[in-house]
Amino acid sequence: AQKVTQAQTEISVVEKEDVTLDCVYETRDTTYYLFWYKQPPSGELVFLIRRNSFDEQNEISGRYSWNFQKSTSSFNFTITASQVVDSAVYFCALSGSRGTSGSRLTFGEGTQLTVNP
Amino acid sequence: DTGVSQDPRHKITKRGQNVTFRCDPISEHNRLYWYRQTLGQGPEFLTYFQNEAQLEKSRLLSDRFSAERPKGSFSTLEIQRTEQGDSAMYLCASSLATGAGDGYTFGSGTRLTVV
Repeated sequence: AQKVTQAQTEISVVEKEDVTLDCVYETRDTTYYLFWYKQPPSGELVFLIRRNSFDEQNEISGRYSWNFQKSTSSFNFTITASQVVDSAVYFCALSGSRGTSGSRLTFGEGTQLTVNP
Repeated sequence: DTGVSQDPRHKITKRGQNVTFRCDPISEHNRLYWYRQTLGQGPEFLTYFQNEAQLEKSRLLSDRFSAERPKGSFSTLEIQRTEQGDSAMYLCASSLATGAGDGYTFGSGTRLTVV
């Protein structure tokens, strides 16, 4: 069975602060994929990043960065110099590589990020 | 192509009524997925299609739920005899079936309220 845990239910920061969203996952698959999605109040899930289990390189995209550590089964997401527009619910998700686990995303419960001006 | 479209955006229905939602995926995507999201939770997988074939159904999909994708393009999700517990956001997503871990594109969802 696959499981994603986002222990932080809500985070509130002041604009320009850095913020890290935690994600811990469980899977028996040796090959798997990890995702982060953003869900603004409009409801649409916006894709942010996908990483496969063989690529542990950290990634930076603008103000966003991701830290993938297989040893701790974690895939954390950091927003640098947060902005009010970053306010949303952020979901971490996991997909396997084949069969049942490869045909679906397993989501965490999400972290509500509020960035105050 | 403007992405994945879902219709309606909102639906309020009385308990016991039937409702049907529609999803139009990205045209070149041959996989289509339905997820359900209740308040404060992450989306949960319901079912998926590859072309017109429904390949997997979650145990969450009770007998009152049925999904179709008759021509391998748009899909419908019908809920019969709605219950208050069916109130949720129903999300549709599509992807290319080039392998696991494909990028999914989600629609904006249909928010169902059963009163």
